[in-house]
Amino acid sequence: DAGVIQSPRHEVTEMGQEVTLRCKPISGHNSLFWYRQTMMRGLELLIYFNNNVPIDDSGMPEDRFSAKMPNASFSTLKIQPSEPRDSAVYFCASSFGQGGATNEKLFFGSGTQLSVL
Amino acid sequence: SQQGEEDPQALSIQEGENATMNCSYKTSINNLQWYRQNSGRGLVHLILIRSNEREKHSGRLRVTLDTSKKSSSLLITASRAADTASYFCAQRASGSRLTFGEGTQLTVNP
Repeated sequence: DAGVIQSPRHEVTEMGQEVTLRCKPISGHNSLFWYRQTMMRGLELLIYFNNNVPIDDSGMPEDRFSAKMPNASFSTLKIQPSEPRDSAVYFCASSFGQGGATNEKLFFGSGTQLSVL
Repeated sequence: SQQGEEDPQALSIQEGENATMNCSYKTSINNLQWYRQNSGRGLVHLILIRSNEREKHSGRLRVTLDTSKKSSSLLITASRAADTASYFCAQRASGSRLTFGEGTQLTVNP
């Protein structure tokens, strides 16, 4: 298996631009997570999906952030408009859980390094 | 917040020595997990210990869990330079999100 695939690997954009991050989870996994990692705040959970349905988006910082999972093999995290404080590494992770157990072992992608100038 | 705290924040040892990292958390948990992150990479799952378990082994890794003290430790025996990485603990309470601590940066010197 190729693991969790994220794109792009690096993104440099100017303040005010729209940014779209993409994730392909491991085939067969039914939960998908978006995390953000910064030096100041560590690893923060932004949102997670179970069976393509958003379950908890309380970590999404503002209305500028939105996430979708149109099918079991693809998810996007969009920031519009982007701001310099959004600069961080964004990770996607997936897992397989049964009986509502969504937080078993997570498999992480390599992340997207976002720089907003 | 349920977020755990790792201790120490940074640890530097010589190859062959053992490395011990500790994690404390605040609320009751369902399970606790340890992950490793190499520089510029995503996190990799190392080991999961459930709330009814006290100790678990995986190769050179040994994890303990003390639910009465709300703490866990990760021991890496006979460390190697390749073990240099950041190590995170993560806690899951029933029905809730998996919350990560701030990590311990381990450096193993050849």
